[in-house]
Amino acid sequence: QPVLTQPPSASASLGASVTLTCTLSSGYTNYKVDWYQQRPGKGPRFVMRVGPGGIVGSKGDGIPDRFSVLGSGLNRYLTIKNIQEEDESDYHCGADHGSGSNFVSWVFGGGTKLTVL
Amino acid sequence: QVQLVESGGGLVKPGGSLRLSCAASGFTLSDSYMTWIRQAPGKGLAWVSYISSSGTTIHYADSTKGRFTISRDSAENSLFLQMDSLRAEDTAVYYCARAAPGGNWYFDLWGRGTLVVVSS
Repeated sequence: QPVLTQPPSASASLGASVTLTCTLSSGYTNYKVDWYQQRPGKGPRFVMRVGPGGIVGSKGDGIPDRFSVLGSGLNRYLTIKNIQEEDESDYHCGADHGSGSNFVSWVFGGGTKLTVL
Repeated sequence: QVQLVESGGGLVKPGGSLRLSCAASGFTLSDSYMTWIRQAPGKGLAWVSYISSSGTTIHYADSTKGRFTISRDSAENSLFLQMDSLRAEDTAVYYCARAAPGGNWYFDLWGRGTLVVVSS
C-alpha cells in the first residue's frame, strides 16, 4: 500500500497564498488523494480529492473557491489563496487502497499544521 | 442536522476493555459504509475498521485485528467499537466517519471524536 508523506508544518501570512504537499511513495503515480481540514478541537472535514489530472469530483460542503488542488507525478498539492485566520488548521491527506475484491483500506499522511501569521 | 457524535472514551488500564459509540442523526447509518479512524497524540490519522452498508463486510487494520470489534444497531442508528486487550499504543482520539456514497471511498462526514487513554 502507498505511504503518504507531508511536511509537519507550514506558515503563511494573512492574505497570502500557501501550497501544501502530499507525496505518494514510489510506484503510485496514478493514485488519488483526499485532503481533509481539521480545525483545533474539531473532527476532520473533507476538502477535495485530487488525482494526477487535478480535482476529482466536487469540493466538500462549504469549501471556498480559495482552495484548489493540483496533481503532478507523485505529488498532490493543496493551494490556499488569500489565507484567512479560519484556515489555520491541520491538513491531512489520505488515500484508499484496495487489495482485492470487496476489501479496501485507507492510509494517511502525518498531517501538516498550517499557521497563519 | 446531519451529524455523528462519539462517546464512551475514557481512561482504561492496559489489558482492559472499552466500548465506543457513535450516534448518527439526519441520515440512516445503515445506508452507508462506516468507519472508525483514530489519531494518536501528535500523530496522523490511522484507519481502524469499517463495516459495509449491508453489514456483511467488515475489515480491520492489522494493528487492531482480533482485539477490536465493529458493529452497529439500526434501531439506535448507532455504530460501535468494542475494544479489548487494550494497549498503551491504542491511546488516541477515535473518530467515526461516513464513507461518501457511490464507492468514492473518501469520508464526507466525521464526528468530533472521543479520547481513549490506556495507562496504568
